[in-house]
Amino acid sequence: GQQLNQSPQSMFIQEGEDVSMNCTSSSIFNTWLWYKQDPGEGPVLLIALYKAGELTSNGRLTAQFGTTRKDSFLNISASIPSDVGIYFCAGPGNAGGTSYGKLTFGQGTILTVHP
Amino acid sequence: DAGVTQSPTHLIKTRGQHVTLRCSPISGHKSVSWYQQVLGQGPQFIFQYYEKEERGRGNFPDRFSARQFPNYSSELNVNALLLGDSALYLCASSLEQSSGNTIYFGEGSWLTVV
Repeated sequence: GQQLNQSPQSMFIQEGEDVSMNCTSSSIFNTWLWYKQDPGEGPVLLIALYKAGELTSNGRLTAQFGTTRKDSFLNISASIPSDVGIYFCAGPGNAGGTSYGKLTFGQGTILTVHP
Repeated sequence: DAGVTQSPTHLIKTRGQHVTLRCSPISGHKSVSWYQQVLGQGPQFIFQYYEKEERGRGNFPDRFSARQFPNYSSELNVNALLLGDSALYLCASSLEQSSGNTIYFGEGSWLTVV
């Protein structure tokens, strides 16, 4: 089945630093989604990407849909303490077809920001 | 406007028991999906329901079942609970059945099986 591999698994950074994380897939995806999950809460959508090469920003967050359609990248600039959480990449379950609402998630990247 | 609401937020069950988790989607959303998130992992897809019909099922045993009601709310049922069923169960809703960009998650129901 489809698998999404995220790296790194965890990051410890100082406030103000930039962060980069990526996600690779064994299959081609038509959509890439990036979610953030805070402790005790459900995932919240940060950025959605719909075509290869697309670069989309949401405040200090920037994500890119890889040209091979098998990878995506998320960058956070000038990190702040509230950026702490788990970041997940996700894609529709049936790459290239109808998603039927199923998302496949990566294992997550745990981000810790030291003040 | 209310987001996706789930109940209960936390519960403890004994092995072999049965559990029912409930979800109310965002108003106007017709699709509800259920996910299981074990500690340290990403959410795993269990079911999707759209217009009261099952439209997708993940790799979970038959002990897991769900249904969607006419008001689009949903229940997830798990029978014969195992210790490994301990997890955060997330409900997500979207307007239509294939709306990858507009899937909204609730805060989840924490299930502990002892």
